[in-house]
Amino acid sequence: EIVLTQSPGTLSLFPGERAILSCRASQSVSSSYLAWYQQKPGQPPRLLIYGASSRATDIPDRFSGSGSGTDFTLTISRLEPEDFAVYYCQQYGDSPRTFGQGTKVEIQ
Amino acid sequence: QVQLQESGPGLVKPSDTLSLTCTVSGGSISPYYWSWIRQSPGKGLEWIGYIYYGGSTNYNPSLKSRVSISVDTSKNQFSLKLNSVTAADTAVYYCARYQQYFQHWGPGTLVTVSS
Repeated sequence: EIVLTQSPGTLSLFPGERAILSCRASQSVSSSYLAWYQQKPGQPPRLLIYGASSRATDIPDRFSGSGSGTDFTLTISRLEPEDFAVYYCQQYGDSPRTFGQGTKVEIQ
Repeated sequence: QVQLQESGPGLVKPSDTLSLTCTVSGGSISPYYWSWIRQSPGKGLEWIGYIYYGGSTNYNPSLKSRVSISVDTSKNQFSLKLNSVTAADTAVYYCARYQQYFQHWGPGTLVTVSS
């Protein structure tokens, strides 16, 4: 199975700053079949990005995804207060579908 | 807007069978795929499996020997059964619409395995 490793584990930033989150796969993710989710306490994950770089419905354009092969990045251009949460990547290029362990973006 | 809601017992005894149902509203269960995912502090997010509205399934090999997912199109529901549970199966269980990624999720239900 493809293991996804996210870094850093925690990112401490101020509102308005740029956040760069990394997701590295143990083997190449075919066709850039990678998604990103945001999760807040007590809520299910919310789809942000699919196909490595396509924004899901109603997701603000400050969220962007990039990458291919084994290295993928989620960038939040200017952090809003509501963006402080945990972010997960998920690959769907191979079975079983797998998730990364998450990156927590916290207010500094 | 499609909505999903998990239901079932919040407490299951060790060695028993965990049974959950997901009710889909605001849209038809066909012609989509539907999935179960769980989240525990120890293992993070774990995909359990998916079912097509027509009944074909695919399970995570790590759970395949213990899991069964079924669908009832007449009730717009799909269900999860996980047998021989242990404390390691304690988690929040989510149902979701599967499009290879997961766009629509239920709010989740906590299932605790304990005697």
